[in-house]
Amino acid sequence: DGGITQSPKYLFRKEGQNVTLSCEQNLNHDAMYWYRQDPGQGLRLIYYSQIVNDFQKGDIAEGYSVSREKKESFPLTVTSAQKNPTAFYLCSSSASQGEQPQHFGDGTRLSIL
Amino acid sequence: GENVEQHPSTLSVQEGDSAVIKCTYSDSASNYFPWYKQELGKGPQLIIDIRSNVGEKKDQRIAVTLNKTAKHFSLHITETQPEDSAVYFCAALNNAGNMLTFGGGTRLMVKP
Repeated sequence: DGGITQSPKYLFRKEGQNVTLSCEQNLNHDAMYWYRQDPGQGLRLIYYSQIVNDFQKGDIAEGYSVSREKKESFPLTVTSAQKNPTAFYLCSSSASQGEQPQHFGDGTRLSIL
Repeated sequence: GENVEQHPSTLSVQEGDSAVIKCTYSDSASNYFPWYKQELGKGPQLIIDIRSNVGEKKDQRIAVTLNKTAKHFSLHITETQPEDSAVYFCAALNNAGNMLTFGGGTRLMVKP
């Protein structure tokens, strides 16, 4: 089946540690996105990538980093500079810039130990 | 930038009744408006969307209306069922087509 796979489903971070969330898609989509969702709130855009080897900051990029070395993969690193990383992280993709809709994975829940 | 407001934040209806969720947006250049349904522990799933060149779209029990002049759009669910219970999000796409802005979500509870 075509879709978006996020892993792990649950992740725990120690103080001062960087952690990386995985997002893989087999939809042959050019564009990929990372969102953060806090309890009872909507989704906020962290980073997006319209094409391989290119990515742009979203509304809340501070404390996060991404890479896009392959079309199907868009990993997100939550760095130690992100002081409040506890949240539900969602990855999505769309066929290309300007093309909709976006299709979402089932998320990774990150917690602080 | 774009600002999307969604109301109500919670909505409780009896099975079989209709449910209406409303959103307003600030950027008149926005041209695409999707609605997503999110179940607990899952990612959002698209249920219906509308583009700015139409005023209404319907898919079985779900419909969306768009008023570009007033900059608001609404989700209508008729004959609600318990499995419709979830959190619903509206969103608006900017004119550049690279950024979706989401509303704060509506928790819909359908009582059997």
